[in-house]
Amino acid sequence: GAGVSQSPRYKVAKRGQDVALRCDPISGHVSLFWYQQALGQGPEFLTYFQNEAQLDKSGLPSDRFFAERPEGSVSTLKIQRTQQEDSAVYLCASIGTISTDTQYFGPGTRLTVL
Amino acid sequence: GDSVTQMEGPVTLSEEAFLTINCTYTATGYPSLFWYVQYPGEGLQLLLKATKADDKGSNKGFEATYRKETTSFHLEKGSVQVSDSAVYFCALRRAAGNKLTFGGGTRVLVKP
Repeated sequence: GAGVSQSPRYKVAKRGQDVALRCDPISGHVSLFWYQQALGQGPEFLTYFQNEAQLDKSGLPSDRFFAERPEGSVSTLKIQRTQQEDSAVYLCASIGTISTDTQYFGPGTRLTVL
Repeated sequence: GDSVTQMEGPVTLSEEAFLTINCTYTATGYPSLFWYVQYPGEGLQLLLKATKADDKGSNKGFEATYRKETTSFHLEKGSVQVSDSAVYFCALRRAAGNKLTFGGGTRVLVKP
């Protein structure tokens, strides 16, 4: 596609609900990243895939957070039993080749947990 | 661990004024450095980058020079426009890995 797309753009969840956030990277991009951006702050790294392999999940804040990319393209970030502190914008980014520095970001999904 | 510190905003300027946003970093090795911009209602966009010491990145009238001796990557523009109103993020990518480490962002508001 023309750019990184994410869906839904907005999600409101009640505390305790499970949510799934989708990222469609630029076609053919090998690497995919998830970041969490709290209100008024910079994005913080969550996890990284190279093709279908999750190479780094050191930024996931708890075991309620889970990400997958089973076929090396679309990725899903799942948050179980959402808490209010999970409210943030979740950003996805992709890179074409490992040596390329430029990450292309999607518009983000704004998650609000009530 | 890696960290990026940038000046807090908001920064309010008049059109055609000179803009500087300070950014310093802490990282092992020789990271690549970036400035990303987030316009109202839009996603993060790469503004410019520099991959080694003394490199200057430039785009849309903005410039930043990679200064290893002061671990800095300050963003400058000589004459801002109203359309430059946005949030600016400084970031680094350590050479060995691919994740970006961001600063907290600086909101810039340019008034006509």
